[in-house]
Amino acid sequence: DAGVTQSPTHLIKTRGQQVTLRCSPKSGHDTVSWYQQALGQGPQFIFQYYEEEERQRGNFPDRFSGHQFPNYSSELNVNALLLGDSALYLCASSRAGLGYEQYFGPGTRLTVT
Amino acid sequence: GQQLNQSPQSMFIQEGEDVSMNCTSSSIFNTWLWYKQDPGEGPVLLIALYKAGELTSNGRLTAQFGITRKDSFLNISASIPSDVGIYFCAGISGTYKYIFGTGTRLKVLA
Repeated sequence: DAGVTQSPTHLIKTRGQQVTLRCSPKSGHDTVSWYQQALGQGPQFIFQYYEEEERQRGNFPDRFSGHQFPNYSSELNVNALLLGDSALYLCASSRAGLGYEQYFGPGTRLTVT
Repeated sequence: GQQLNQSPQSMFIQEGEDVSMNCTSSSIFNTWLWYKQDPGEGPVLLIALYKAGELTSNGRLTAQFGITRKDSFLNISASIPSDVGIYFCAGISGTYKYIFGTGTRLKVLA
């Protein structure tokens, strides 16, 4: 049973560029959430996707956008990158109707220079 | 961004000792979750709590959902070296928004 997978593992971008991160949920899961984790801090909720729509959003600017595909996989897009966007980006999946238990992937480490 | 308060921030303990940590909020939550994160990895779910006053165990781990719904506690009994890591609580309100704590860093001395 494959867990949550994310790609790429690491990424280095320059200020002002755009980036796309990808996530495949755990088998049987239909809901995907994205988090930003700065060094030494807890994960910060970005948004959640269910049935290909954004269901809930945290306090992140519109530069952060996402998409969910019919196979439940998801992408996180960040435009006009800032140095402060450097962080570990985590994807978590869950199954609607089965409580709130989320399972996390290993994350994508984004460095903006 | 909003984060829940966890204490202690970090702790060193001897192998075999019991560990207690807690998580507090100014807001009420309907669900509490506890995660452990190892370096370079994503958080791993340890325990989920769905009802005020609920006490749930997972092996050597025991967690409680505070009756005020504004706090939760995690206890680890007879700690072992592999318990090292960062422990996060997370609260969920009526929406699908998960709020994580600031983390408790645990180091176990063999």
